[in-house]
Amino acid sequence: EDQVTQSPEALRLQEGESSSLNCSYTVSGLRGLFWYRQDPGKGPEFLFTLYSAGEEKEKERLKATLTKKESFLHITAPKPEDSATYLCAVQNSGGYQKVTFGIGTKLQVIP
Amino acid sequence: ETGVTQTPRHLVMGMTNKKSLKCEQHLGHNAMYWYKQSAKKPLELMFVYSLEERVENNSVPSRFSPECPNSSHLFLHLHTLQPEDSALYLCASSQARTGVSGNTIYFGEGSWLTVV
Repeated sequence: EDQVTQSPEALRLQEGESSSLNCSYTVSGLRGLFWYRQDPGKGPEFLFTLYSAGEEKEKERLKATLTKKESFLHITAPKPEDSATYLCAVQNSGGYQKVTFGIGTKLQVIP
Repeated sequence: ETGVTQTPRHLVMGMTNKKSLKCEQHLGHNAMYWYKQSAKKPLELMFVYSLEERVENNSVPSRFSPECPNSSHLFLHLHTLQPEDSALYLCASSQARTGVSGNTIYFGEGSWLTVV
């Protein structure tokens, strides 16, 4: 069974204090690893898809990286508006569209 | 209208009521999903429709009944729910799996359901 473990569960940063969120996974044949941002009371907003180990993607202050066992979401010089829950998910090589989500990391950036 | 839209955004229903959640996607996708999100739990996949055919049920109780009349619309019919069914219900869409790469799932804003 596919599994996604995210750490830490919650993270509090000062504005400008860079850090990383971790997503460890086990999956029967990785088709894709996804990062989403979710604000309170809203649906997840897509950030990145990574397909193979060694791949990296960037968007503004966020950078996602992927190895064979884990993915990191690096946040450089965060701002208060980066406060949200960040979700990681994996899609396996099975015959249908099954995607397994982690529980998320709740990030709070303090001015 | 762009993306994935869900209505209603908030719903309060009694345990004997019948109601429906509606979802529409404007992304040209051909797979649609219902997910349940509860506090302190990962998103739970409830149903998947790929090319308008239901391909995954995931052991969801029969008080939840999905309907997918075409590739752009998805409904979740609710009847005789329990208080523990109170949660955020998320609709999503993607391209159906075609190649070796994964297909990104795009979510709507969700429907907050409270069962009283």
